[in-house]
Amino acid sequence: SQQGEEDPQALSIQEGENATMNCSYKTSINNLQWYRQNSGRGLVHLILIRSNEREKHSGRLRVTLDTSKKSSSLLITASRAADTASYFCATDASGRETSGSRLTFGEGTQLTVNP
Amino acid sequence: ETGVTQTPRHLVMGMTNKKSLKCEQHLGHNAMYWYKQSAKKPLELMFVYNFKEQTENNSVPSRFSPECPNSSHLFLHLHTLQPEDSALYLCASSIQTWANYGYTFGSGTRLTVV
Repeated sequence: SQQGEEDPQALSIQEGENATMNCSYKTSINNLQWYRQNSGRGLVHLILIRSNEREKHSGRLRVTLDTSKKSSSLLITASRAADTASYFCATDASGRETSGSRLTFGEGTQLTVNP
Repeated sequence: ETGVTQTPRHLVMGMTNKKSLKCEQHLGHNAMYWYKQSAKKPLELMFVYNFKEQTENNSVPSRFSPECPNSSHLFLHLHTLQPEDSALYLCASSIQTWANYGYTFGSGTRLTVV
């Protein structure tokens, strides 16, 4: 079953507004990561939050993690047209029971920031 | 550029062709991955290599054959593909397979099977 599920699937806002995207997952994780993908390109790592962290900031990005609810949110403040992209959450559930890699991606949120 | 280079960027092949995708990284990473990205579907992990050894094959059909000659290079050999194999194929690398620091992705190869 899919690990990370983003919500909403699509979000359209005006430049300068804040954008909030949510991610829910099902199993215990070591960390949760957010990636951005511009159309037809590779994914770019934005931020990683570990399971023992509740909030993390990087520039205009703010990520929260609630392990009790198995959910995370990504907030982009003061959005710009250049923020237009798909945003994916990915969960790392690697552990002793696995061979290592278990980075599992959701379907993504398509963010459109209108000038 | 991210440090992970994929070639070619675009590939059109017939169902009877044999082609290869190439991925190269000089980030000093020890783990490399192939992902498949189809429209409106989550990224699908295909193969994982750690220190040149394949550690995961995610039930991928045998018409996809990976090769990892060293920690810096990863290939995906393709033969007798189906139209439903058309997708964006992404290569990624990480320090090691424990994803504690995130993955670095290439720009992908857009594959069209005709």
